[in-house]
Amino acid sequence: DAGVTQTPRHEVAEKGQTIILKCEPVSGHNDLFWYRQTKIQGLELLSYFRSKSLMEDGGAFKDRFKAEMLNSSFSTLKIQPTEPKDSAVYLCASSLGLGVEQYFGPGTRLTVL
Amino acid sequence: QQQVRQSPQSLTVWEGETAILNCSYEDSTFDYFPWYRLFPGESPALLIAIRPVSNKKEDGRFTIFFNKREKKLSLHITDSQPGDSATYFCAASRNNNNAPRFGAGTKLTVKP
Repeated sequence: DAGVTQTPRHEVAEKGQTIILKCEPVSGHNDLFWYRQTKIQGLELLSYFRSKSLMEDGGAFKDRFKAEMLNSSFSTLKIQPTEPKDSAVYLCASSLGLGVEQYFGPGTRLTVL
Repeated sequence: QQQVRQSPQSLTVWEGETAILNCSYEDSTFDYFPWYRLFPGESPALLIAIRPVSNKKEDGRFTIFFNKREKKLSLHITDSQPGDSATYFCAASRNNNNAPRFGAGTKLTVKP
């Protein structure tokens, strides 16, 4: 069974650039999550989709971060414009619903110079 | 505002000792508390989880102790092994329209 896939695995961007991260959830999963992982904050929620509908936006990330789910098997996270403080690992996860196991992808490590 | 808090930030124990990782939360409506383990270079993976109907959940060397009144829980790892060295995340969720919330994690190092 294919797990959650994320591309690219690594991304290096110049300050001010636009980058797009991609995620494919586990087939059949209704819920999709984007998190940012840092050593200080741990896992911070960026966006939560249920059956392609945006259910929750991480409040602090609304201005430059935009996640979309064009179909049930593909999601993107756009960061525009990037800033050095955005350097982190971006994780995508999916699950059958709330209150059950989340399956995480391998993450995209973003470095903004 | 951190809805889920973990302590300590890092913990070092010797092989064979019991490691105790703490977690607390603010919202009493949370009803599912999973712990995820993250090895370097890998993705977080579910380790063990508990629901408030129980105050204890055991899986081999891993045990969650849950105190609903104080809104606290802890993960005990008995007979710690060097292979347990990882970052452990406590999370909390409820069955509504909000995503699970994670703590900042505890980095555990087990020395041989």
